[in-house]
Amino acid sequence: AQKITQTQPGMFVQEKEAVTLDCTYDTSDQSYGLFWYKQPSSGEMIFLIYQGSYDEQNATEGRYSLNFQKARKSANLVISASQLGDSAMYFCAMREARAGRRALTFGSGTRLQVQP
Amino acid sequence: GAGVSQSPSNKVTEKGKDVELRCDPISGHTALYWYRQSLGQGLEFLIYFQGNSAPDKSGLPSDRFSAERTGGSVSTLTIQRTQQEDSAVYLCASSLGLAGQDTQYFGPGTRLTVL
Repeated sequence: AQKITQTQPGMFVQEKEAVTLDCTYDTSDQSYGLFWYKQPSSGEMIFLIYQGSYDEQNATEGRYSLNFQKARKSANLVISASQLGDSAMYFCAMREARAGRRALTFGSGTRLQVQP
Repeated sequence: GAGVSQSPSNKVTEKGKDVELRCDPISGHTALYWYRQSLGQGLEFLIYFQGNSAPDKSGLPSDRFSAERTGGSVSTLTIQRTQQEDSAVYLCASSLGLAGQDTQYFGPGTRLTVL
């Protein structure tokens, strides 16, 4: 079963507009962490934002915010005021907190294209 | 400070040959991870090191794959008798190895092409 589902293979957004990238997850763990990474065409994975399962507030980092709805098991990334440099692949990932389990499980990604 | 570095950036090899991929983590990071990114399979976890030991090798796809880490720093991923399906980008990441958030920071990857 898919642990991380990103249902939008591709998204377009106009420069300066906000965009939401969807992510749903599946886990039976009570303690877990959710991450978003950006992968530009250069290939390097860049960490954007983190949300812990026990965090009561939605995470924010500059223009990035995470819309965390625990009961729905969703962790959508919101990018405000899109810039041309935001064009990239975006990956949602989860780490479950079982003993010894440190690996990230990634979704299939969403390709975002920001149009001028 | 310096980020995670990987070498080589590109490697082309013939089917059946062995290859070694190197990862140099961020200084002070005790945890190190290898992932593989391919078109068909997406991003897959391979192995995790804490210090020099590997408590989680569950993602290694076959016994042709092995990895070691020495001195709690540099790690080498070795693929023996390479197959065409091994063609992928191999990504290394490191983290502080703490509980909680413990963000993994990735290197630029090694693109492996098996002819």
